[in-house]
Amino acid sequence: KAGVTQTPRYLIKTRGQQVTLSCSPISGHRSVSWYQQTPGQGLQFLFEYFSETQRNKGNFPGRFSGRQFSNSRSEMNVSTLELGDSALYLCASSLWQGIGEQFFGPGTRLTVL
Amino acid sequence: AQTVTQSQPEMSVQEAETVTLSCTYDTSESNYYLFWYKQPPSRQMILVIRQEAYKQQNATENRFSVNFQKAAKSFSLKISDSQLGDTAMYFCAFMKQSGTSGSRLTFGEGTQLTVNP
Repeated sequence: KAGVTQTPRYLIKTRGQQVTLSCSPISGHRSVSWYQQTPGQGLQFLFEYFSETQRNKGNFPGRFSGRQFSNSRSEMNVSTLELGDSALYLCASSLWQGIGEQFFGPGTRLTVL
Repeated sequence: AQTVTQSQPEMSVQEAETVTLSCTYDTSESNYYLFWYKQPPSRQMILVIRQEAYKQQNATENRFSVNFQKAAKSFSLKISDSQLGDTAMYFCAFMKQSGTSGSRLTFGEGTQLTVNP
């Protein structure tokens, strides 16, 4: 069974631009969560989607948004990029919300110049 | 809110030896999971082991085992017969168990483990 895939793997943007990251979960998994990893803040939860609905949201500004499609694929969008948004963005999927382990994708490395 | 603390930023061990990584957590929840993930230089986050809080028996996966002390809110990871491929950042993580309130992992700061030849 294929693992979690994320595209693109690397992105370079400039301040003020917007970016969309994509995540395809493991086949059959319904829950998709997003995390931001930075050297200073560590791993922080962004949000989770289950059955096309946002179920949980972390403490991030409204510039960070996401959505989930009927096939469970998810996208996250960051508008008006800031230098501090430079990070590794990790997507994780699980069979069901709040049950069992999450499996992570390889991440998208976003650099904001 | 839950917190997870890993007090050892860095550790090193000789190949074939045993090493224990520490993790403590704080929660008022009764039903939850605890996980250890490893993140090698490739940055791919890999699940090492999981423990359900209601289970008294400590989880074991091959060379990896945990010491789960629920009352003390402690969850340590023991790696036996360490291998060079075990070199990675190890994260302890907490997740409330619920089929309705969603999945949200709370991570510790991480422990960088280096296995020396």
